Amino acid sequence: DTGVSQDPRHKITKRGQNVTFRCDPISEHNRLYWYRQTLGQGPEFLTYFQNEAQLEKSRLLSDRFSAERPKGSFSTLEIQRTEQGDSAMYLCASSLGQIKETQYFGPGTRLLVL
Amino acid sequence: AQSVTQLDSHVSVSEGTPVLLRCNYSSSYSPSLFWYVQHPNKGLQLLLKYTSAATLVKGINGFEAEFKKSETSFHLTKPSAHMSDAAEYFCVVSEPYSGAGSYQLTFGKGTKLSVIP
Repeated sequence: DTGVSQDPRHKITKRGQNVTFRCDPISEHNRLYWYRQTLGQGPEFLTYFQNEAQLEKSRLLSDRFSAERPKGSFSTLEIQRTEQGDSAMYLCASSLGQIKETQYFGPGTRLLVL
Repeated sequence: AQSVTQLDSHVSVSEGTPVLLRCNYSSSYSPSLFWYVQHPNKGLQLLLKYTSAATLVKGINGFEAEFKKSETSFHLTKPSAHMSDAAEYFCVVSEPYSGAGSYQLTFGKGTKLSVIP
């Protein structure tokens, strides 16, 4: 499968714990995006990378959220001191970085904070 | 600022009858518009995309959408619904973003399509 992959697919954690999610983009894609989708809503943009550079992070929901893409390939999204309100689906997408590009989405990581 | 309004949160059709999912957008630019579909516990799959070429766009699985600038609409249609079409559908607008030539996607809230046998 040469699509976007995410790991884990499901995560259950207790409030206050830290969690980390991984995204592997399509191999030739240089842009990588993170989104959050809550129940009954469309995905909302969190952050994005051009290669290893994080070019937009003002939309991250709080300073408990951080993302990295150290070698310009896979990316991780970390949530520290999780809260019940963090329960959501976290989606990753990648693109070629062209004009009027298409973003291709992974299957998502569903987080449940107890 | 861009926004997307999906006019129906839930649409129910009988198998074999036409599907119409409505979407209106607002944008400061000449936008790209997309429809994505999300099946339960699956990721988002691109159905079709409009990027200022032909106003009638054909997508996968028999879906198509027509861009109407005067009405700021991008409604999704299919002549005959199939049981496998039952899913959630998202209308999306894309505009240039301030950072490094990237594009920002704004999603509608989604329309859940049910297909009755």
